[in-house]
This record gives sequence, structure tokens and C-alpha cells, in this order.
Amino acid sequence: GAVVSQHPSRVICKSGTSVKIECRSLDFQATTMFWYRQFPKQSLMLMATSNEGSKATYEQGVEKDKFLINHASLTLSTLTVTSAHPEDSSFYICSAPTGPGGNSPLHFGNGTRLTVT
Amino acid sequence: QKEVEQDPGPLSVPEGAIVSLNCTYSNSAFQYFMWYRQYSRKGPELLMYTYSSGNKEDGRFTAQVDKSSKYISLFIRDSQPSDSATYLCAMTSGTYKYIFGTGTRLKVLA
Repeated sequence: GAVVSQHPSRVICKSGTSVKIECRSLDFQATTMFWYRQFPKQSLMLMATSNEGSKATYEQGVEKDKFLINHASLTLSTLTVTSAHPEDSSFYICSAPTGPGGNSPLHFGNGTRLTVT
Repeated sequence: QKEVEQDPGPLSVPEGAIVSLNCTYSNSAFQYFMWYRQYSRKGPELLMYTYSSGNKEDGRFTAQVDKSSKYISLFIRDSQPSDSATYLCAMTSGTYKYIFGTGTRLKVLA
């Protein structure tokens, strides 16, 4: 089946530093990928839609200068949390649809747990 | 009113029980429906993907879609403790906009 690989699975960083999270589609090409944030015992909150070769589309309330998204190839999207602060500590998850057309099922990475000290 | 409603649970059942998980939705344009299982501190795992109304079976799992009632279900037969997780429904009209339910926490007691 389709595999989405996300790294790192866990990261601890100091306040004020930046952290990059990678999301790769291993056996399919993804022109679109999605980035979510999830708080404990809550559902997924869509942060942004990553589009290969163009700018990401951010959801209302998400700071695009803080959460930088780059989708430079058909198999890789990255999320960089810049100048991280403790309130950015969360579980970040990426996903990608396995085909074109906007109706394919999403496959998810295993998430990245970010802790900012 | 949310586009997708899902009872958050928790739902506790004894091992071997049949579990019924449900979502209702308000947008009649939704045509593609998914169920995911999410273990704690892991990404959601796709269980079932269905298109339009009807039933689909895969092992112990059966997904059911009733578009006339805007209601989808996931049935788990012979539930096991390893099925204890949060189950998320998701749907889309085919426009790259995927709407998720809030998830139902399931506990299967040994």
C-alpha cells in the first residue's frame, strides 16, 4: 500500500530555534500534501495545503511566516517551524492523497512530536 | 452545525463484540468516504475507502454509506483489545478538501 514517511518522529528544541519536519511519499507522487496539527485527545487541525512547485495555502489563523512549507519535488514536502516557542509544542502530521483528482484516500505519516523547551 | 458529526465516546465494549461507529454529515456533495484508525501518538491509518452508497467489507471491517440519510458507519466484528484506538471518519466531494470527524475513542476490554 501507499506509504508516507515523516521524519523526525520526535524532536526537542530550545525556544527561539527552528525545526524542520520532512514528509515523503515513498511509492507514489504527490502534487498535494497536507499538514495537520493535533492536540492531545483532539482531532486533526488542518494547517496548510502544500502544492508542488507553488506556494502553500494556509488555513485561517495559521501564520505562514512561522510555519514555512516547501514542496520542492513530487515526493517531498517540508514544514519548518521558525523561532519556535513552547506554545508550538504539538503533534504535527502530514498526509498525501495517493492519486490526482482530489478524491483519492489520504495516507498519513506517523507524525512528529515537537517539544519546545 | 459542523459539516461532519461524530460521537467522541469513549465507547467501551467487551472483547468479541460487534462495534458500530458512525458519522453524520450535512453536505450532500460528499461522495468519497474514509475511515481511519489512530493509535496514541501515531498517524492515522487508512482502514476503508468507499465511494457513494453501499457496503464494503474487508476482513473484520465493514463500511456502510447511506447517502440518502447522510450517514456512514464502520462495523468491527469480533473486536479485539488491539482494536482499541481512536477511529476517524473523513469525506470529500473530490476537490482536495477533506473533512474529518472529531474521532471516536474505542476501548475493547479483554
